[in-house]
Amino acid sequence: QVQLVQSGAEVTKPGASVKVSCKTSGYNFTSYSLHWVRQAPGQGPEWLGIINPIGGSTTYAQKFQGRVTMTRDTSTSTVYMDLSSLKSEDTAVYYCARDLFPNNDFWSGYSPWGQGTLVTVSS
Amino acid sequence: QSVLTQPPSASGTPGQRVTISCSGNNSNVGSNIVNWYRQLPGTAPKLLIYINNQRPSGVPDRFSGSKSGTSASLAISGLQSEDEADYYCAAWDDSLQGWVFGGGTRLTVL
Repeated sequence: QVQLVQSGAEVTKPGASVKVSCKTSGYNFTSYSLHWVRQAPGQGPEWLGIINPIGGSTTYAQKFQGRVTMTRDTSTSTVYMDLSSLKSEDTAVYYCARDLFPNNDFWSGYSPWGQGTLVTVSS
Repeated sequence: QSVLTQPPSASGTPGQRVTISCSGNNSNVGSNIVNWYRQLPGTAPKLLIYINNQRPSGVPDRFSGSKSGTSASLAISGLQSEDEADYYCAAWDDSLQGWVFGGGTRLTVL
């Protein structure tokens, strides 16, 4: 079955960076784009961006451009999200999520999702 | 402050039909499709409706979506206790060039 397994919780300080991984299995890794979405406590989800595993092309949300970097490793079917210059407001659960359908079907939503990674930014 | 506006709460009794609204503008809901997600406490969101009114495999036909102008709605018929969850709408925003979400609606089954 399709699985997205994320790395464990992180506690980090303001100004630092964090890198979250999302290891996929159960499907053709290069056929589906992957999104990163975060959710602060008690808030709605917030989209950070998308990566196409074929060539590694990315699109980032305007709010995070310059601070977020998404990469992939096709040899391990894993995608990574690196967020720098962290602030307390970046404290959230970060999720990776796969496109529902393959081949750049951008519109059909995300399914499935990873289990989430709690990133806590605190001095 | 979320870009899409949802009522913070909704409620219904078992068997009842409830609707949850999602309001946007011409840059998002008015010009693009809407997806809906359901989130149980402590778990990741799950896709419920895509492209306004399509159900992914495994989602019962008690769930339906619609869109008109700059508003969208999620309807749940035959309400069940396990439908208690948070529901979120999402749409692509042409101005922000990104996916935007609603703040969520917490559904309570009385």
